[in-house]
Amino acid sequence: RKEVEQDPGPFNVPEGATVAFNCTYSNSASQSFFWYRQDCRKEPKLLMSVYSSGNEDGRFTAQLNRASQYISLLIRDSKLSDSATYLCAVNLRAGSYQLTFGKGTKLSVIP
Amino acid sequence: DGGITQSPKYLFRKEGQNVTLSCEQNLNHDAMYWYRQDPGQGLRLIYYSQIVNDFQKGDIAEGYSVSREKKESFPLTVTSAQKNPTAFYLCASSIGGEYTEAFFGQGTRLTVV
Repeated sequence: RKEVEQDPGPFNVPEGATVAFNCTYSNSASQSFFWYRQDCRKEPKLLMSVYSSGNEDGRFTAQLNRASQYISLLIRDSKLSDSATYLCAVNLRAGSYQLTFGKGTKLSVIP
Repeated sequence: DGGITQSPKYLFRKEGQNVTLSCEQNLNHDAMYWYRQDPGQGLRLIYYSQIVNDFQKGDIAEGYSVSREKKESFPLTVTSAQKNPTAFYLCASSIGGEYTEAFFGQGTRLTVV
């Protein structure tokens, strides 16, 4: 099993659709989880931290499922501006500062 | 403006030459990181530093070197021993501790010609 794995997509969805991405991780002891957004040829930007209780920021909802070892990102009412690659990042090892990234899932929102 | 500054944005290097990429942060973050990204690939960790004068190898450290003489600065040298250096290099920093998120600079796109 890869340490952090994402479906590469692409996900092509119409404006207004709801889309969900999952990210699985290998180590059950992983401590912290994040979603980043990366536009073409730009740096990743933090979208959301993922907390055990789940968290929501406007149209975006992130959840953690420790039992099945995955995190999810739900985007409601997709906008054209949501088109980007979404990367998940996991701190896999207790006591480590390292974040391990998935390869990203590409989202294209279509008019 | 607080943030992470990488320079230069684009860099061309001849084969066999060493080149140093700059990364400076004024966020007072303890931890700093260097990642490499290839087309269609995720970010791979080259080196990271949790504190001044200390750094650790990441997953792909061969052919690279770093220093951390100041809290604000974490330069990366791409040596001639790196076989495939053409890539997008990203520097990041975090407050420190395992629960904190990392923030990225704008990246340096290195091309070997």
